[in-house]
Amino acid sequence: GAVVSQHPSRVICKSGTSVKIECRSLDFQATTMFWYRQFPKQSLMLMATSNEGSKATYEQGVEKDKFLINHASLTLSTLTVTSAHPEDSSFYICSAPQSSPNQPQHFGDGTRLSIL
Amino acid sequence: AQTVTQSQPEMSVQEAETVTLSCTYDTSESNYYLFWYKQPPSRQMILVIRQEAYKQQNATENRFSVNFQKAAKSFSLKISDSQLGDTAMYFCAFMKHTGNQFYFGTGTSLTVIP
Repeated sequence: GAVVSQHPSRVICKSGTSVKIECRSLDFQATTMFWYRQFPKQSLMLMATSNEGSKATYEQGVEKDKFLINHASLTLSTLTVTSAHPEDSSFYICSAPQSSPNQPQHFGDGTRLSIL
Repeated sequence: AQTVTQSQPEMSVQEAETVTLSCTYDTSESNYYLFWYKQPPSRQMILVIRQEAYKQQNATENRFSVNFQKAAKSFSLKISDSQLGDTAMYFCAFMKHTGNQFYFGTGTSLTVIP
C-alpha cells in the first residue's frame, strides 16, 4: 500500500483562490519532505525542501510567498499555492525519504491543479 | 552541482523485444545512488531499479537491468521482453550518499508497440 498519501489528487478552482495540498507519511516519520512541480511531458522540478520544525528551503526561482510550505509534524507537510493563477496550473508531487536502503524515497500520487 | 542527462526524449520498442534507455550524469561525489523511475499515465512514480555507486556489480530486477559505468558516469537501463505495461515515462535519478535530495533527468517516453 501507499506509504505517502497526497491529497487532494485533483483540484479545479478559480483564479485568486488559495489551494492547500497535503503530504502525509504513513507508518514512518519524515523530518524532511520534498515538493516537486511537473509540467506536461517534462521532468520533476524540485521546488522546495520541507523541514520539520524549521523553515523550508526553496530552490532558486521559486517564490516563497506564492508557495507556502509548512511542516507541522513528523508526518505532515503542506504546500499552499496562494492566490493561484492559471500559470500555476501544474502537477505537484511530494516525496518523503525513508531510511531504507531499498526504497530511499516514497512519492505521493500527485495533485493535478487546474486554475481557471 | 549534480546534473543528469537523458538524451532520448522518445523511444519505441516492439513487444517482447529489448530496449536500452540511456542516462549520463555529472558529479564530483565518489559515493552516491542512481535510480530509474517509471511514471505511467497515472503519474505515479514507481521505482524500477537502484544502483549503489560503490558496488561494481550491475543491478538486476527481473526484466530490468542496468549497465553502470562509473568512470564514464553512465547508467543505462535495459528492458528485456518488453511488455505493453512498460509504456511510460522513465526518469533517471541521482542521489548523494549523504543526502536525500534527488536530481532527475529530463525523462524518456517509452512506447511498447503491440
